[in-house]
Amino acid sequence: DTAVSQTPKYLVTQMGNDKSIKCEQNLGHDTMYWYKQDSKKFLKIMFSYNNKELIINETVPNRFSPKSPDKAHLNLHINSLELGDSAVYFCASSQGGPLGSEAFFGQGTRLTVV
Amino acid sequence: GQQLNQSPQSMFIQEGEDVSMNCTSSSIFNTWLWYKQDPGEGPVLLIALYKAGELTSNGRLTAQFGITRKDSFLNISASIPSDVGIYFCAGQNDYKLSFGAGTTVTVRA
Repeated sequence: DTAVSQTPKYLVTQMGNDKSIKCEQNLGHDTMYWYKQDSKKFLKIMFSYNNKELIINETVPNRFSPKSPDKAHLNLHINSLELGDSAVYFCASSQGGPLGSEAFFGQGTRLTVV
Repeated sequence: GQQLNQSPQSMFIQEGEDVSMNCTSSSIFNTWLWYKQDPGEGPVLLIALYKAGELTSNGRLTAQFGITRKDSFLNISASIPSDVGIYFCAGQNDYKLSFGAGTTVTVRA
């Protein structure tokens, strides 16, 4: 069983479209994250949720809207896609808490906007 | 934001060599994590460090949490070809992991 799974793995879409990426974790963790990895492989946090509540929104455009229906899921919806949104998006989860704990990542969703 | 400086940016390894990489930060972290990423995959957790001064091993990997809580290093002993990939350090506070820019490890021809 995959601990953190995200779908789809690849997503190719046209500018202006709306798309969603789904993430599920079966680790019983309280905290989930979305990270964006750019072409230089830099990993930057976008959002973190703890017990379905938004904790961090790292100056992400309003076109990105995360939704956490329960602790095991954190989906990412993107409106009006732009060329600059092309990147690999990673979902992750951890047991949470402000002191930190092991965080586990999904396999990533490679988004290409054309 | 919390900036992590990871070095070296890249390195070449020869099978059997020991290699080291490190991360420094101007911020204090509660937890340091080290990850490895292979092409087309997500980062995989190698070692987690929770206490200042802690030295932890995982097979051929050894990592330390700096006393000041602002730095960490990772050593790989007796490297093998499958050690190639990108290694990331991450400092964790307050529901957020801040990543270094990565160290790309390549096999020397």
